[in-house]
Amino acid sequence: GAGVSQSPRYKVAKRGQDVALRCDPISGHVSLFWYQQALGQGPEFLTYFQNEAQLDKSGLPSDRFFAERPEGSVSTLKIQRTQQEDSAVYLCASSPWRELRTDTQYFGPGTRLTVL
Amino acid sequence: GESVGLHLPTLSVQEGDNSIINCAYSNSASDYFIWYKQESGKGPQFIIDIRSNMDKRQGQRVTVLLNKTVKHLSLQIAATQPGDSAVYFCAENISGYSTLTFGKGTMLLVSP
Repeated sequence: GAGVSQSPRYKVAKRGQDVALRCDPISGHVSLFWYQQALGQGPEFLTYFQNEAQLDKSGLPSDRFFAERPEGSVSTLKIQRTQQEDSAVYLCASSPWRELRTDTQYFGPGTRLTVL
Repeated sequence: GESVGLHLPTLSVQEGDNSIINCAYSNSASDYFIWYKQESGKGPQFIIDIRSNMDKRQGQRVTVLLNKTVKHLSLQIAATQPGDSAVYFCAENISGYSTLTFGKGTMLLVSP
């Protein structure tokens, strides 16, 4: 069975470029999460979708970060005018249940973004 | 793959030993806790979880202990194997909130 997949696995961008990171969740999973993981740190929450609705975007660090999930399956995290401090691994996770409290989040392999 | 374990606390054990990884969580309102394992170049992998109405839960070769009084969580791995080498994160959650808050992680190194 397919797990959460992310593409690209590695992305190098020049400062100021826009990037788009894709997440394919496990089929049928209602909830989708994006996290940012700096080197040597734990993942930090960015945003959360339930189906196509973005219910929580409190973790997005600036208005340069934008996420969407228009059909309730695939999600894209877009970063505009990238800065060096955006360099990190971006993780996507999905979970099957509607009740957040009991969700087990299944993570993808991440996209390693390096901004030069 | 790239390392996720730079400058992390490290626990080094011999194959066959039992390992104990500790975590102090921050929010007394947290009521759901999870341990994840992360290998280099991979995303976190769910190991075991526990709710705040429990103080111990066992899985296959793993046990999680929760002490709410001192806000402490531990992961015990029995008969540690080289394949257990990874970074281990605890995460906490508050009911009704989407956010998982992760701790800083501990690198476990298992020597054959």
